[in-house]
Amino acid sequence: KNQVEQSPQSLIILEGKNCTLQCNYTVSPFSNLRWYKQDTGRGPVSLTIMTFSENTKSNGRYTATLDADTKQSSLHITASQLSDSASYICVVSADSSYKLIFGSGTRLLVRP
Amino acid sequence: NAGVTQTPKFQVLKTGQSMTLQCAQDMNHNSMYWYRQDPGMGLRLIYYSASEGTTDKGEVPNGYNVSRLNKREFSLRLESAAPSQTSVYFCASSEGQGRRTGELFFGEGSRLTVL
Repeated sequence: KNQVEQSPQSLIILEGKNCTLQCNYTVSPFSNLRWYKQDTGRGPVSLTIMTFSENTKSNGRYTATLDADTKQSSLHITASQLSDSASYICVVSADSSYKLIFGSGTRLLVRP
Repeated sequence: NAGVTQTPKFQVLKTGQSMTLQCAQDMNHNSMYWYRQDPGMGLRLIYYSASEGTTDKGEVPNGYNVSRLNKREFSLRLESAAPSQTSVYFCASSEGQGRRTGELFFGEGSRLTVL
């Protein structure tokens, strides 16, 4: 069964600190992996999209990594800001399919 | 640019009532989607439309109908609402299809409560 699992479920960090969120997937055949940020009460917004051949991709202070062999991805946030408080959702696309499999997200709270 | 616009933002229904959620995008995308988001779960696809005039069932289509009115608009209808349909509904659009599905752009969500 195609699944995407994220850890931790929630995380609290102090402003200015770094953090790493994890995503493991069992989707096959794999097409691409996406990270989205969802602010409370808003729709998800795309951060990165990585294909099989890409093992790292950055978007400002956000850096996503992908290990297609172990089927793991991580999202690293550098020098966190209060505005980083949100849910971060990992999404995996199966090859030749419109279907995207969504993880349940990691809820990040950045405290001053 | 407005992007993806959903209406209404909030709605309370009684069991058995019907309603339609409206969605419009101004990015000239062919593909449009309806998802529902429930606490502790990932977004689940209700229906998908690859182009005007075509629709496909997603993961959880029961109790819903859709209509792709034109390239811009994709509506979701609940014919007889049930408490299990209490959820947050998101419309999204993207370029491309299948393995060439591009970035998804989401609306702000429609929060539906069925009593």
